[in-house]
Amino acid sequence: NAGVMQNPRHLVRRRGQEARLRCSPMKGHSHVYWYRQLPEEGLKFMVYLQKENIIDESGMPKERFSAEFPKEGPSILRIQQVVRGDSAAYFCASSPMGQGASGYTFGSGTRLTVV
Amino acid sequence: GENVEQHPSTLSVQEGDSAVIKCTYSDSASNYFPWYKQELGKRPQLIIDIRSNVGEKKDQRIAVTLNKTAKHFSLHITETQPEDSAVYFCAASKNEKLTFGTGTRLTIIP
Repeated sequence: NAGVMQNPRHLVRRRGQEARLRCSPMKGHSHVYWYRQLPEEGLKFMVYLQKENIIDESGMPKERFSAEFPKEGPSILRIQQVVRGDSAAYFCASSPMGQGASGYTFGSGTRLTVV
Repeated sequence: GENVEQHPSTLSVQEGDSAVIKCTYSDSASNYFPWYKQELGKRPQLIIDIRSNVGEKKDQRIAVTLNKTAKHFSLHITETQPEDSAVYFCAASKNEKLTFGTGTRLTIIP
């Protein structure tokens, strides 16, 4: 079992560009969660998705950020028109149905740097 | 929403001594409390967790205690070793998402 796969591991974008972060959940996991970690801070919840559904996006900024988890393929976190303040580590976790937070497995994260 | 506070933010301990990190939470409905260890540039790794129907749990040198009435929980690491140096995060959850504390940077002094 390959675990939760995130790519790319490192991503550099210029201000105004788009960033696309990918997350493939563990085999058998149907729930995906995205968290953001600013330098020297804890992880902050962004969004919770199931296949083809956004369940809870209460932690997502209202503008420029979007997430999807299509029927086929990985979950995508998309940040449009990136700004310096978007520089952070973005972690994805997946969990089996019915286990919620107690079933989390985290990916290795994508470190986004906006220059 | 849930709010988790964590203290201290930094902790230095002589190798072999014990380390204690404390967290408080605000939502009495929270029922799952994990602790994560994060090394520099790595993913958070679950080291121990406790549910609200249990007061204490131990796994070798690591233990967690939970006081539901006071809404606080603590991580205890005994016989600390250099490889315990890392940032530790507490978290609380009542459903699908975790609310994390701000982290404790633990340094073990050889």
